[in-house]
Amino acid sequence: DPKIIQKPKYLVAVTGSEKILICEQYLGHNAMYWYRQSAKKPLEFMFSYSYQKLMDNQTASSRFQPQSSKKNHLDLQITALKPDDSATYFCASSQDRGAERLFFGHGTKLSVL
Amino acid sequence: SQLAEENSWALSVHEGESVTVNCSYKTSITALQWYRQKSGKGPAQLILIRSNEREKRNGRLRATLDTSSQSSSLSITATRCEDTAVYFCATDADTGYQNFYFGKGTSLTVIP
Repeated sequence: DPKIIQKPKYLVAVTGSEKILICEQYLGHNAMYWYRQSAKKPLEFMFSYSYQKLMDNQTASSRFQPQSSKKNHLDLQITALKPDDSATYFCASSQDRGAERLFFGHGTKLSVL
Repeated sequence: SQLAEENSWALSVHEGESVTVNCSYKTSITALQWYRQKSGKGPAQLILIRSNEREKRNGRLRATLDTSSQSSSLSITATRCEDTAVYFCATDADTGYQNFYFGKGTSLTVIP
């Protein structure tokens, strides 16, 4: 029974379009994150949120916009999609920012054609 | 630049054998963590070893940390087929667990 739900599991998009990746966590955590995993690259930290506030942004492009409508939601909007955006996007959470352990969802695999 | 890096791209062992995955990192750390990612799943934490610790065990897993050489190892004894996964080391780069930086991972295959 997954406690971090990411939707959809697979996503195909055309170049230039916009997509929203959904993440909900049911662990009662206060901090949520987005990571990206591209082929043959390290798992890359993108954003961290704590109590629905953006704490850290290490994504250079403004095309990536996290959205937190509730404490246990952190969606990721990606605009003007490019083929290089193809990757698996992982949502993660921790009890609080600065907690020792991250819990990851199963990921959304995005393919941009 | 990559702050943590596993030293092998891929390893394979036969079931029952032991295996060690190595990691090097570039900055001071609060702690180093080992994660495992099975196919189609997100990473899951295996062991956290703090900068003032030299060794940590969790069942068949043993992690070591050498802060002088900025390196760590994860050993798995009596490997099982279900240990087949990608193993990552991750550091917080001394941010007090504010952010985590992962290596590219070592793909381990356990052969029945």
